[in-house]
Amino acid sequence: DQQVKQNSPSLSVQEGRISILNCDYTNSMFDYFLWYKKYPAEGPTFLISISSIKDKNEDGRFTVFLNKSAKHLSLHIVPSQPGDSAVYFCAARPIQGAQKLVFGQGTRLTINP
Amino acid sequence: DTEVTQTPKHLVMGMTNKKSLKCEQHMGHRAMYWYKQKAKKPPELMFVYSYEKLSINESVPSRFSPECPNSSLLNLHLHALQPEDSALYLCASSHQFYGQGADEKLFFGSGTQLSVL
Repeated sequence: DQQVKQNSPSLSVQEGRISILNCDYTNSMFDYFLWYKKYPAEGPTFLISISSIKDKNEDGRFTVFLNKSAKHLSLHIVPSQPGDSAVYFCAARPIQGAQKLVFGQGTRLTINP
Repeated sequence: DTEVTQTPKHLVMGMTNKKSLKCEQHMGHRAMYWYKQKAKKPPELMFVYSYEKLSINESVPSRFSPECPNSSLLNLHLHALQPEDSALYLCASSHQFYGQGADEKLFFGSGTQLSVL
């Protein structure tokens, strides 16, 4: 039972354009969501997060949108840069069992020059 | 200092060996975690320590033995591993602020790439 789903294994975007990565979840008890970026053989690096009491959070080129009714969140990267090429993981935390962070399968983003 | 430091970066061990992975953070975080990640898969939670006490064990085989000597250090002792245990082992830490809307993010180390022969 996969509670956090990233249905696109890969995404290719032109440099300078917008990258949109999507994530769906099934557990209505999730109340905190995070995006991590990961390079091969390295640990995930925290990018941006959003609490369930908000519907948008912005940090520089990165914006995360949360649609609670649809159980969907997305990460927007504008403008996309070659250094953004990496695997992006969506993660969610339930209110109960708050220490358990559940990760999606990841989306490999490639930014083409 | 926002780093989680893991040693060693790479480890090759035989199935009869005993080895330990080490993790250190100096951010004052009171929760520390071990995750396992196989290639092209998401990280999977193994253990959580909260205030130096084991709070979550995700039914991990006993050949993996965690230890939290103090609030800054986390070890993972390995014994009689199997080749399928080869993976990237990630340590993470967090402040441990809970409650609805609490901003609780995990900071990960770079991991130990483990190969079991």
